[in-house]
Amino acid sequence: EVQLVESGGGLVQPGRSLKLSCLASGFTFSNSGMNWIRQAPGKGLEWVASISSTSSYIYYADTVKGRFTISRDNAKNTLYLQMTSLRSEDTALYYCTKGGELDYWGQGVMVTVSS
Amino acid sequence: DIQMTQSPSVLSASVGDRVTLNCKASQNVNKYLNWYQQNLGEAPKLLIYNTDNLQTGIPSRFSGSGSGTDYTLTISSLQPEDVATYFCFQHNSWPGTFGTGTKLELK
Repeated sequence: EVQLVESGGGLVQPGRSLKLSCLASGFTFSNSGMNWIRQAPGKGLEWVASISSTSSYIYYADTVKGRFTISRDNAKNTLYLQMTSLRSEDTALYYCTKGGELDYWGQGVMVTVSS
Repeated sequence: DIQMTQSPSVLSASVGDRVTLNCKASQNVNKYLNWYQQNLGEAPKLLIYNTDNLQTGIPSRFSGSGSGTDYTLTISSLQPEDVATYFCFQHNSWPGTFGTGTKLELK
């Protein structure tokens, strides 16, 4: 059974940093591209960043480019999202998702940016 | 970025009804169009991938169709557990973009 378990969220002040993690199991993590998708409270879904299986290809939404860094450790079956210079508009539920088709999603981790 | 517009934004239907949800892209997405179901407080679940392929474990009352810029999700006979919000998603070009969502309610 595919499982994606996010962690690392919380309340953070504007301008500060936070690092999210996603522990994957139930599939060959090293063969799969991965993504972060977010959903602000009461809003729709927004693609944030993607990384290929070997980290050769990385893409970011314009709204986070230069502030967020996606990475992965295939030995630990873990996906990361390093978030810096956080803004109030980054407040959202962050989902870890599998593959280009987003076929599996974690339950999400909440990030709240507020003073 | 490709804009995805869903209609209607809210749909009320009765159990047993045939229900059709629409998704329109601002440009051709070459059938790289997925549909997701999101129940309140839960993560989205993939229903249909690449226009008309039913994800494993999804009931056969769900089906998808379309091409070019216009796509449809159909529920052949609405069940109470189908009450949810439905999103379309194009992954033809970067960045992938989501539709605005259709909230499906019971009449």
